[in-house]
Amino acid sequence: AQKVTQAQTEISVVEKEDVTLDCVYETRDTTYYLFWYKQPPSGELVFLIRRNSFDEQNEISGRYSWNFQKSTSSFNFTITASQVVDSAVYFCALSDSGGSYIPTFGRGTSLIVHP
Amino acid sequence: ETGVTQSPTHLIKTRGQQVTLRCSSQSGHNTVSWYQQALGQGPQFIFQYYREEENGRGNFPPRFSGLQFPNYSSELNVNALELDDSALYLCASSKQRGEKLFFGSGTQLSVL
Repeated sequence: AQKVTQAQTEISVVEKEDVTLDCVYETRDTTYYLFWYKQPPSGELVFLIRRNSFDEQNEISGRYSWNFQKSTSSFNFTITASQVVDSAVYFCALSDSGGSYIPTFGRGTSLIVHP
Repeated sequence: ETGVTQSPTHLIKTRGQQVTLRCSSQSGHNTVSWYQQALGQGPQFIFQYYREEENGRGNFPPRFSGLQFPNYSSELNVNALELDDSALYLCASSKQRGEKLFFGSGTQLSVL
């Protein structure tokens, strides 16, 4: 069975601080996909990144970076120099063949960035 | 590209009633999924439709049902509403299974 754990319920930082959101996953499949989504107060989840299980390269996109480590089953997300607009709930998700590639979401981490 | 739109935005019903939520998927996306998101929780998968047929279902009772239409629209129907059905209902579409999901803004359902 697939499972996603986001142990951090809420993180509060001051603007310009770096912040890392943790995601640990469980799956029996060797082929799977990992995602991060952002949910601002408006409610609509916005896709941030998709990574397949065969690509362990870390990725950087502007102030965002992702660290995928199969050895620890983790897919962590770092925001560098956080801004107030980064305040949102962030969800990690996993889809695998055992689950018909239907994403299972974690409970989310609420990030609050104070000015 | 048009986005995913959902209607209505908010809805108030009483226990025992029936409700229909609607979603218009992104053009060209033949896979649509519905999720229930309770306050402070992650989205919980209800079911998925692919080319108008249900091809995956989460741990929800049969009173949750759906339809997908050829014009990329879909419906979520909930019968015999219960207080615990109060949640944000999200519709999401994708080109193929396993690809990124495009979400609508959701319908906030309150059951009194």
